[in-house]
Amino acid sequence: AQTVTQSQPEMSVQEAETVTLSCTYDTSESDYYLFWYKQPPSRQMILVIRQEAYKQQNATENRFSVNFQKAAKSFSLKISDSQLGDAAMYFCAYRTGNQFYFGTGTSLTVIP
Amino acid sequence: EAGVAQSPRYKIIEKRQSVAFWCNPISGHATLYWYQQILGQGPKLLIQFQNNGVVDDSQLPKDRFSAERLKGVDSTLKIQPAKLEDSAVYLCASSTKRGWGPQETQYFGPGTRLLVL
Repeated sequence: AQTVTQSQPEMSVQEAETVTLSCTYDTSESDYYLFWYKQPPSRQMILVIRQEAYKQQNATENRFSVNFQKAAKSFSLKISDSQLGDAAMYFCAYRTGNQFYFGTGTSLTVIP
Repeated sequence: EAGVAQSPRYKIIEKRQSVAFWCNPISGHATLYWYQQILGQGPKLLIQFQNNGVVDDSQLPKDRFSAERLKGVDSTLKIQPAKLEDSAVYLCASSTKRGWGPQETQYFGPGTRLLVL
């Protein structure tokens, strides 16, 4: 069975600093996609970044980047130059075929 | 461009009652998803529609949950009868999907928060 594990329920970071959120997943599939979603308080969930499993190059979107370690089944999110608006719940997600699985989330606090 | 709309935003019912949630996806989006997000957990995919057909409903508790997407646009998710453990936020999402993969981005609605007493 596919599972997604986020071992850090809460994280905090000083404004302008860098923080890394961890995610591991379990799968026997070779073709899949990984995502990080952001859910601000009382607001819609939005896609932050995605990674195709067949790509070795780590995805990057402005201040957000991932460290994808396929053999270790690890998919961490790095947020550089943290801003107050980055405070939110972050979910790691895995998709293969029509199946979509989310982790339990990491609550990120940004300290001014 | 209008986002995914959901109503109601909040609903409080007693156990064994029925409840229905409505979702209007982004115009032109072929794929529609319903998720259940229990407090402290990540969203769990309940059902996925492609136009008005069901693509996957393997995690939908079919003894009490039902969903439909008539005419391939709006969708309704129903719970009958509700149980205490159904208390959660029900999220609707839509995407343009032409085949799952990097070209697909799911756009989420604000969710409906259900409390079953």
